[in-house]
Amino acid sequence: QSVLTQPPSVSGAPGQRVTISCTGSSSNIGAGYDVHWYQQLPGTAPKFLIYDNNNRPSGVPDRFSGSKSGTSASLAITGLQAEDEADYYCQSYDSTLTVVVFGGGTKLTVL
Amino acid sequence: QVQLRESGPGLVKPSETLSLACSVSGGSVSTYFWSWIRQSPGKGLEWIGYIYSSGGTKYNPSLKSRATISIDTSKNQFSLRLTSVTAADTAVYYCARHEGRGCSSTSCYDWFDSWGQGTLLTVSS
Repeated sequence: QSVLTQPPSVSGAPGQRVTISCTGSSSNIGAGYDVHWYQQLPGTAPKFLIYDNNNRPSGVPDRFSGSKSGTSASLAITGLQAEDEADYYCQSYDSTLTVVVFGGGTKLTVL
Repeated sequence: QVQLRESGPGLVKPSETLSLACSVSGGSVSTYFWSWIRQSPGKGLEWIGYIYSSGGTKYNPSLKSRATISIDTSKNQFSLRLTSVTAADTAVYYCARHEGRGCSSTSCYDWFDSWGQGTLLTVSS
């Protein structure tokens, strides 16, 4: 059971928009800790995608965006492409557990 | 462009100690925080712990003091030692570099901007 809760799977057709939620609590996201996102393509290491809730590192397409509100955060992907099919993870910090925490991951399927 | 590469035995027997190393190229371990993260087969990511260049460390309490992370600036690498392993420790182990506003004993604002390719460690007799 992950401290940050993500839906196990989401899907969308090419060109559509999908969102992936990351729900935390008052000891992590709600305490003001930022949320970061990673993309893990099959058989590869996670790749850094979004930092500090809504910032993209250079090289990440602007089709990817993040947001945070209260005890939750979201990753949005617009203009879905087949290459976006991957697992996505959110990450933050929990002040009660005093650990870096990850969400359980969401598998994105492009139909 | 910093690159990280994990190395390890691949197979460890139950109750033994696993040792993994992460070699860093294109950057120095003398700056930044560095972490170990693992992923059990078909499962999500679990943070194991971090080390700073000064040698300061912090670990995930779930590992019950079995983990030790050390740094060797002369070799530009850092290492993970995990004692008394069980089948539950079977996972792909990643090393990663931190970026962000830093970590302390009570908080961490960092993300992981560079990852190694991962090394599979199997615990089996």
